[in-house]
Amino acid sequence: DGGITQSPKYLFRKEGQNVTLSCEQNLNHDAMYWYRQDPGQGLRLIYYSQIVNDFQKGDIAEGYSVSREKKESFPLTVTSAQKNPTAFYLCASTPIPYSNQPQHFGDGTRLSIL
Amino acid sequence: AQTVTQSQPEMSVQEAETVTLSCTYDTSESDYYLFWYKQPPSRQMILVIRQEAYKQQNATENRFSVNFQKAAKSFSLKISDSQLGDAAMYFCAYRSGEGGGADGLTFGKGTHLIIQP
Repeated sequence: DGGITQSPKYLFRKEGQNVTLSCEQNLNHDAMYWYRQDPGQGLRLIYYSQIVNDFQKGDIAEGYSVSREKKESFPLTVTSAQKNPTAFYLCASTPIPYSNQPQHFGDGTRLSIL
Repeated sequence: AQTVTQSQPEMSVQEAETVTLSCTYDTSESDYYLFWYKQPPSRQMILVIRQEAYKQQNATENRFSVNFQKAAKSFSLKISDSQLGDAAMYFCAYRSGEGGGADGLTFGKGTHLIIQP
């Protein structure tokens, strides 16, 4: 079945450490997204990418980085510059055309600080 | 920038009854799309219903329907015949239709829906 796979499900980060969250999709979607979810805050957009080797910052990009070397993959790195990384991270994708198509979501990764 | 407001942090309804969740948004755009997503305790995001701003007819999906008031910038979700499985967080989301609409979704903070058996 087609879908979005996020791994790991749970991740722990030590102080000063960079960690990478994986997101893979086999839906042949062009656009991919990363969201952060905090309690009581809803989802906020971190980064998104419309095509390979291109991506744009969302509303809360500081302390994060991404790459898009393959259409299927859009990993998110939480750097040591992100001082409050504890949150639930959701990856999403959408087909072309974008606007009226719903975003499909992965099952998420919960990141915590050790 | 667009904003989405859900003014009800929590709602409770008796099983089999009807409940309406509120959502308002602020935008200067004329081309946009609105969505309701459901997030059960598993944290999976599930699309409930969507509405294109250019359509006057309100969207309906089985027991779920919306009341889209474009002039008032209101997009409420009505759940009829509530079931225990409807218990979840519900998020209202906005997506611009301009520039191809690839800018990502803007979400409200969510409404926690409780179903009383």
